[in-house]
Amino acid sequence: NAGVTQTPKFQVLKTGQSMTLQCAQDMNHNSMYWYRQDPGMGLRLIYYSASEGTTDKGEVPNGYNVSRLNKREFSLRLESAAPSQTSVYFCASSLSGRYNEQFFGPGTRLTVL
Amino acid sequence: AQSVAQPEDQVNVAEGNPLTVKCTYSVSGNPYLFWYVQYPNRGLQFLLKYITGDNLVKGSYGFEAEFNKSQTSFHLKKPSALVSDSALYFCAVRDADGSSNTGKLIFGQGTTLQVKP
Repeated sequence: NAGVTQTPKFQVLKTGQSMTLQCAQDMNHNSMYWYRQDPGMGLRLIYYSASEGTTDKGEVPNGYNVSRLNKREFSLRLESAAPSQTSVYFCASSLSGRYNEQFFGPGTRLTVL
Repeated sequence: AQSVAQPEDQVNVAEGNPLTVKCTYSVSGNPYLFWYVQYPNRGLQFLLKYITGDNLVKGSYGFEAEFNKSQTSFHLKKPSALVSDSALYFCAVRDADGSSNTGKLIFGQGTTLQVKP
C-alpha cells in the first residue's frame, strides 16, 4: 500500500498562475482533507470531503477550489496564485466517523513569487 | 469553539531522560484528542488518540499521553527519550461540527522536541 500520495513534491509559481495539486489514497477511506502548514501556525484545514460526492469549506478556503474526483482522489486547485499561498500543503484521509485518525501524504512545497 | 494550545514552542531534553510535551484543549462536549509527529520534510504520522476510557493512552514508538479532564490537558510523555525522537509534535482535537461523519481536526501550533546526546 502506498497510503496517501501527493504530486508534485515541489512547485514554484508566479503570481496569477494556476495549478492543481493532486492527492490519491489507496486505503478505501471515505473522508479526505487538504491542509496548509505555515511556520508557527500548525495545520489549517482548507477543504474537506466527508464522502465521495461532497466537499465543504474548512478554516481557510479563500483562493482555493477542490474536486473529489472519485473515492480515491481529491484535488486542490489554485486559480490565481498569490504570494500568501506560499506554504506546504498536505492531503490526508481517514475512515468516516469522529474517532478515526487521519493519514497524511508527504506534502507539496509551493512557492509563489 | 474548539481549540487546542501547545504552550511551548520547543522542549529540550537529554537522551535517556523522561520527556513531556504539553497540550491543553477547550471543547464543548466530549473531547477526542490526538497526537501526531512530523519528521523533517515528511508528512504527519499518527502517534495515539484518546476517545474514552483509561486516562493513560499508549501509542507508537513508546509514547504515551495522559488525559486530565479537570485540567483540560493531554500531555505527551515518554519515559526515556531518544535522539531519534527529535521532531515536531502536534496535538489535535476533533472539531465538533455536528456531523458524525467528519473527522475534522483542529491542530495546535506544534512543539519542537530536541533530544541531545
